[in-house]
Amino acid sequence: QVTLKESGPTLVKPTQTLTLTCTFSGFSLTSSRLAVGWIRQPPGKALEWLALIYWDDDKRHSPSLESRLTITKDTSKNQVVLTMTNMDPVDTGTYYCAKVTVGATKQDPFDLWGQGTVVTVSS
Amino acid sequence: EIVLTQSPGTLSLSPGERATLSCRASQSVSSSYLGWYQQKPGQAPRLLIFATFLRATGIPDRFSGSGSGTDFTLTISRLEPEDFAVYYCQHYGTSPLAFGGGTKVEIK
Repeated sequence: QVTLKESGPTLVKPTQTLTLTCTFSGFSLTSSRLAVGWIRQPPGKALEWLALIYWDDDKRHSPSLESRLTITKDTSKNQVVLTMTNMDPVDTGTYYCAKVTVGATKQDPFDLWGQGTVVTVSS
Repeated sequence: EIVLTQSPGTLSLSPGERATLSCRASQSVSSSYLGWYQQKPGQAPRLLIFATFLRATGIPDRFSGSGSGTDFTLTISRLEPEDFAVYYCQHYGTSPLAFGGGTKVEIK
C-alpha cells in the first residue's frame, strides 16, 4: 500500500525556518520514475505548488518562493524534506506532500496525496 | 507563467443534476498536462482526471473531462451526494505548476 505522511511543527514564529518531512511507504525514490512534491493551502483558499524532487535528484521550485525553499530526499529513510526560511504569518496553512508517477516528459499530476499537516506562523 | 481561472466560484445544484465546471488558462496549454482534483472538507485533494479526459484509477465514469487550448471543462453527469466538494484544475506542464482557484459544488 502506498502512503505518504507529513510531519513537522504545528507552530513557528515569524522569521524562523520551517522544516517539514514527508515519510512515504510502498514506493522508493531510488530507481523508480517517481517524484514527490509539496503543495500548500492557506485556510479557506486554493492550492499552491511549492517544490518537486525527482528520483534522479532533479528539482523544481515555485519561482515566487524559490529563494526560501530547499527540497531534499533521503532515500535510505524514504523521506523528502522541505525547508522554508523566513516564515511569515501569510505562510500559515496546510502543507501536503504528494507522489508523482513520472512519464517521459517529467510533466505529470500528483496521483496520491498525504493527509496534510497544519502549520501556523505566529509570535 | 500560466494562470488558471476557474468558474463559477460556487455551483449550487441538487443531487442528480449535471455539473459543468470551467477552467480557463491564460495561454494555450497542451491537453496532455491538464488535470482535475476533488477536495472534500478536511481531506487532501484526490486526482480525478489527467491529460484533460483520462480518469484516474477508481474514478467513476460520471466524471468526464474535455477541452483544448485555453478552455477546459470537468463535467459530472449526475451528482451523487458524495460529489459535493471543491474541484481544482491544475496545469502540470513546464514549471511552475499551477492550480486554479477552485469551484465549490454545493447542495442547493
